[in-house]
Amino acid sequence: QKEVEQDPGPLSVPEGAIVSLNCTYSNSAFQYFMWYRQYSRKGPELLMYTYSSGNKEDGRFTAQVDKSSKYISLFIRDSQPSDSATYLCAMSAWNYGQNFVFGPGTRLSVLP
Amino acid sequence: DVKVTQSSRYLVKRTGEKVFLECVQDMDHENMFWYRQDPGLGLRLIYFSYDVKMKEKGDIPEGYSVSREKKERFSLILESASTNQTSMYLCASSLNREWSNQPQHFGDGTRLSIL
Repeated sequence: QKEVEQDPGPLSVPEGAIVSLNCTYSNSAFQYFMWYRQYSRKGPELLMYTYSSGNKEDGRFTAQVDKSSKYISLFIRDSQPSDSATYLCAMSAWNYGQNFVFGPGTRLSVLP
Repeated sequence: DVKVTQSSRYLVKRTGEKVFLECVQDMDHENMFWYRQDPGLGLRLIYFSYDVKMKEKGDIPEGYSVSREKKERFSLILESASTNQTSMYLCASSLNREWSNQPQHFGDGTRLSIL
């Protein structure tokens, strides 16, 4: 079993929809979680960084962590065509030092 | 904003060549990382460095080496390029080693093709 699993998509939604992107993980020690957005032919761009459980909101983006289910989510409200990208989750534990484990990414297309 | 710059966006080399990929960050970060990104496999850590002249192996170091002579610069070296090293290479940096698990900031990648 991979440490971090993510549906690769592609996920296609109409403009204005609420998007839910998810990752599951197997290591119960993970407590640092990140979401990155990666446009085609560009590097990953940090969107959200959360610690432990709960929700964090930034504009149209909400990151949610459910440690009991080993499941994290990124919600995008009022999705725009400019949100079309690949979304990567990444996570780490206290004994991982500076290193993170990355999911393979979900490709999202928001159709105008 | 953190700026991580990779010297080449696209590179084509031949098997057996020695290949150098360069990365520079401008935010005085102590930690630097090299990843490769392949479809369906995500990002895999090749090497990382917490300080000048210091390096640590990641998950897939075979066939690669690194050099960090200055704090802002981290180089990835393919000693003898092979076709299975065709990939997107991403460099990243994060602040320092005093705090664990700090977010990493990435460059735009080098797409390397080995013929």
